[in-house]
Amino acid sequence: QSALTQPASVSGSPGQSITISCTGTSSDIGSYNFVSWYQQHPGKAPKLIIYEVSQRPSGVSHRFSGSKSVNTASLTISGLQAEDEADYYCCSYAAGSTRQVFGGGTKLTVL
Amino acid sequence: QVQLQESGPGLVEPSQTLSLTCTVSGGSISSGAHYWTWIRQRPGKGLEWIGYIYYSGSTYYTPSLKSQVTMSVDTSKNQFSLKLTSVTAADTAVYYCARESRTTNYFDYWGQGSLVTVSS
Repeated sequence: QSALTQPASVSGSPGQSITISCTGTSSDIGSYNFVSWYQQHPGKAPKLIIYEVSQRPSGVSHRFSGSKSVNTASLTISGLQAEDEADYYCCSYAAGSTRQVFGGGTKLTVL
Repeated sequence: QVQLQESGPGLVEPSQTLSLTCTVSGGSISSGAHYWTWIRQRPGKGLEWIGYIYYSGSTYYTPSLKSQVTMSVDTSKNQFSLKLTSVTAADTAVYYCARESRTTNYFDYWGQGSLVTVSS
C-alpha cells in the first residue's frame, strides 16, 4: 500500500482536461510544498513534470499544472493529446524516517 | 546535460547480494547541491524510494530496507552504488538511479533503469 493515494485510472478525450488527485496526510503533503509529479511511458524512466507543487521544469508543456489544498495535491492536464497517455506518479517529502513517499500511480487513457 | 546510467547484473540468485552502479556524466557528483538516489519499481507496480547518498558519503535509507541496503560513492569516477543483501523474489524490480535536489526534494534526472531479476 502506497503512502499517497491516487486513483488507479482516469480517462479523457483529446482536447479535454483531466485532473489526477494525490491524497496524503498532515505529515507529508499537508506540511510541505515539496510535491512533485512524474510521467512514465511504458518501458521508460519517469520524467519530472511538476515540482514544488506547481512549478514546471523547462521544456514541460504549459498544459501541465499542479496545485495543492490541505493534504491533497492535484495534477491537471489540459488540451489532452494522445502522447499524454502514460502513468503519472505523485511524490511528497515526508516528516519522519520515511522522508520521500510516492503515490501508487494513475494510468491515464486518452480515448 | 546531466545523464545517469545504471550498470550491473540482471540476474541475482536468492539470498545473494544485488549490486548496481550509477555513472553520472554531464555534471559533477560532488556539486553539493544534490543527493544521489536509488528508486525501484517492482513489475507492474509503483515507485519505491530506497534512499540516497551525498557526495560526502552520508546516507539515508528508507526504514523498510535499511537492514539490507548499503550505498557508496566514488567521486573520482563520478559514480555511486547500491548493494542490497539477502535478496528474495520480492526484490525483483527495475532499479533507477536519480538525482534529487537537496533543497526542494524532486528527482530531475533519472537513469534509464536496470531490470534485476532474483531467481535461481
